[in-house]
Amino acid sequence: NAGVTQTPKFQVLKTGQSMTLQCAQDMNHEYMSWYRQDPGMGLRLIHYSVGAGITDQGEVPNGYNVSRSTTEDFPLRLLSAAPSQTSVYFCASSYVELGTANSPLHFGNGTRLTVT
Amino acid sequence: AQSVTQLDSQVPVFEEAPVELRCNYSSSVSVYLFWYVQYPNQGLQLLLKYLSGSTLVKGINGFEAEFNKSQTSFHLRKPSVHISDTAEYFCAVSVGYNKLIFGAGTRLAVHP
Repeated sequence: NAGVTQTPKFQVLKTGQSMTLQCAQDMNHEYMSWYRQDPGMGLRLIHYSVGAGITDQGEVPNGYNVSRSTTEDFPLRLLSAAPSQTSVYFCASSYVELGTANSPLHFGNGTRLTVT
Repeated sequence: AQSVTQLDSQVPVFEEAPVELRCNYSSSVSVYLFWYVQYPNQGLQLLLKYLSGSTLVKGINGFEAEFNKSQTSFHLRKPSVHISDTAEYFCAVSVGYNKLIFGAGTRLAVHP
């Protein structure tokens, strides 16, 4: 059972560089999301998607882009990395009705990003 | 706006002692509440959830939580902790169809 797979596990970028964090799930979940985790701040929602072709902004979307061309994949793009984007990024998925009994969030193991 | 406050950033406890991790939420509407656990270098895993019904919710690994609407709290408890319970614990509230708001986390350190 692969679940939610994130790549890479670690990444170091210089300010201004671009990159894409990959997320794939094999559970046929409609809902996918990206969070960033910073010390003392918990997890904050960046972007989310309720299905292929549908995305929306979370709490902290600035500096990040997403697209959802397939059910399985939900990449997160940093167009011009800044030191403030140094963080641990988690992808999570679930069935679309987030609060129901059968749809807890399933998390990947995270990508640790450092921007110098 | 909905928010979640975890009242303790760190909780040290000795093995086999009881523990309570505190969580308060603010919301003007009905909520779904969750506790997640994060072990080192891993993603989060669901411990338990409150959706409706009984206010005492039992989860995995012997944890339970009590929903208190009047005090807007959802504290997590375990009567006897193990070394393996050392992890970070996050309280979260569902603020609608598709969004979970997380607290800042409580780091539980179980000592022998």
